[in-house]
Amino acid sequence: DTGVSQNPRHKITKRGQNVTFRCDPISEHNRLYWYRQTLGQGPEFLTYFQNEAQLEKSRLLSDRFSAERPKGSFSTLEIQRTEQGDSAMYLCASSPSRDSPLGAGYTFGSGTRLTVV
Amino acid sequence: DAKTTQPTSMDCAEGRAANLPCNHSTISGNEYVYWYRQIHSQGPQYIIHGLKNNETNEMASLIITEDRKSSTLILPHATLRDTAVYYCIVRVEAAGNKLTFGGGTRVLVKP
Repeated sequence: DTGVSQNPRHKITKRGQNVTFRCDPISEHNRLYWYRQTLGQGPEFLTYFQNEAQLEKSRLLSDRFSAERPKGSFSTLEIQRTEQGDSAMYLCASSPSRDSPLGAGYTFGSGTRLTVV
Repeated sequence: DAKTTQPTSMDCAEGRAANLPCNHSTISGNEYVYWYRQIHSQGPQYIIHGLKNNETNEMASLIITEDRKSSTLILPHATLRDTAVYYCIVRVEAAGNKLTFGGGTRVLVKP
């Protein structure tokens, strides 16, 4: 297992189109997180899953955004009717239920960079 | 989670120590100080964390003041590969908590 994998790495889409990103976490991690990062800013939390249950959603996650983790393994993040303001890096991270050692278990992927034109 | 304040940017000479400050004056007794870094086009990477005592690992050292209101991340011998944005985060040691990132410090290591 080489870490958290995200696909695609880059996505260019026209405004109004739907896009879907995939995240494959570290296999033994049962927690999975999505973050969004715009240019020059730190990542912002969007949502997280404990196994297949979505336990928290940020107010940033508008109705056009939906995330799933159907079998508690990989996750998808879909954005419907994309807008130019959705252009950002979308980061996925995973962690075990208990960090062991503390902190080091929280692992990010390299992200999917979305450009809406 | 407590708010942190970091300088926007700093330069460092290759081979010298880089000292990155962070203020967290409203930190609570059960909040840890975490440091992450983000190299261009990659996700954030965990560096080190601590509660009260100074900590050291293969990547860096973390010095926390006695009153815990500030801390310093030390990269002992900066290399060009250490050029990145460094984030100081304080959070409760609870499993699965989201991370709240500030703007971080953009560190440029120069030859």
